[in-house]
Amino acid sequence: DTAVSQTPKYLVTQMGNDKSIKCEQNLGHDTMYWYKQDSKKFLKIMFSYNNKELIINETVPNRFSPKSPDKAHLNLHINSLELGDSAVYFCASSQAGAANTGELFFGEGSRLTVL
Amino acid sequence: GQSLEQPSEVTAVEGAIVQINCTYQTSGFYGLSWYQQHDGGAPTFLSYNALDGLEETGRFSSFLSRSDSYGYLLLQELQMKDSASYFCAVCNQAGTALIFGKGTTLSVSS
Repeated sequence: DTAVSQTPKYLVTQMGNDKSIKCEQNLGHDTMYWYKQDSKKFLKIMFSYNNKELIINETVPNRFSPKSPDKAHLNLHINSLELGDSAVYFCASSQAGAANTGELFFGEGSRLTVL
Repeated sequence: GQSLEQPSEVTAVEGAIVQINCTYQTSGFYGLSWYQQHDGGAPTFLSYNALDGLEETGRFSSFLSRSDSYGYLLLQELQMKDSASYFCAVCNQAGTALIFGKGTTLSVSS
């Protein structure tokens, strides 16, 4: 069983389109995250949810909207895609916040290419 | 805020020992984590140091000096499969997310 799974693994789309990435974790964790990894491999926190509540919203354009229907799911919807949105988006989860153990469990990533 | 510095690239040969250093600046410190990421893969957790000293897990060890805001990851008996990117990370001030360094690409040759 995959601990953190996200779909789709690959998205190729045109500028201006809207797309969604879904994430599910079966670890029973309270906290879920979205990270963006650019072409230089820099991993940047975008959002964090704890028990369905948004606790971190970094400087991310309003075109990005996360939604957590329950604590096991965290989806990411992106409107009006731009070339600069091309990246790998990683979902992650942890038990009770990252500070306790410094351990996040990452999904396999969703590689978004905007043409 | 938080910032982390680590070398961008390190090269070594099979069987060697390599040390990847990380210095950090943070307004509130919880601990220092290390992650490994192979090309096309997900970051995977290696270790976490909240207290000063050396933690050993098999061929990998991690060290922390809080007074120096410094840590390192030590990889021994290097194997080709250790070729990957290695990231150090600290928590943000609220302890609610990890902030990652820019990563060190390790290339192991035979």
